[in-house]
Amino acid sequence: ETGVTQSPTHLIKTRGQQVTLRCSSQSGHNTVSWYQQALGQGPQFIFQYYREEENGRGNFPPRFSGLQFPNYSSELNVNALELDDSALYLCASSFVGDYNEQFFGPGTRLTVL
Amino acid sequence: KNQVEQSPQSLIILEGKNCTLQCNYTVSPFSNLRWYKQDTGRGPVSLTIMTFSENTKSNGRYTATLDADTKQSSLHITASQLSDSASYICVVSASNAGNNRKLIWGLGTSLAVNP
Repeated sequence: ETGVTQSPTHLIKTRGQQVTLRCSSQSGHNTVSWYQQALGQGPQFIFQYYREEENGRGNFPPRFSGLQFPNYSSELNVNALELDDSALYLCASSFVGDYNEQFFGPGTRLTVL
Repeated sequence: KNQVEQSPQSLIILEGKNCTLQCNYTVSPFSNLRWYKQDTGRGPVSLTIMTFSENTKSNGRYTATLDADTKQSSLHITASQLSDSASYICVVSASNAGNNRKLIWGLGTSLAVNP
């Protein structure tokens, strides 16, 4: 167990809806990164939050947005869901330092119908 | 272009046997290289992290090597167990700026250990 938790575990939505995924980072970590992993593919970096501010973003449209709270937990919001948004969404927490080793949560499986 | 390539794409071995997974990268500037194990439908779990100056690092039955000159890494699994069945992903960090924005992910090697 990494100490990183995500909720919900599974989620089913329909096209056009909005979804919020949540992540609690490991104690002592101040950075959260979000990834999208389609079936059979590697994780794709969505964005990273450091001390409540976005600190880097991958090639994802603005309908993917996020928040980081003072306790360093985080949310990923996706608006206007599309079928291709169906994926495993991974949250990883880390502490800015020499290695920036990331600890991943178990993921949220999102299915868009 | 920063890239991480892994081979083989998939591998089937018998329980108890050893295996070696390969990772070649073209990433600059190089910061560190990580190997992750990912069970199906679960988050990746870190096995090892190596910097430029480290040639080998072990974590139980897992031993990673790094040749920074040839830009190659390998992950050796000794005395495989059924629970080793997973995807093994090589990830190279292209930044030492104190964040994880420039992690270059390989596509992984899918390992199946059969009884």
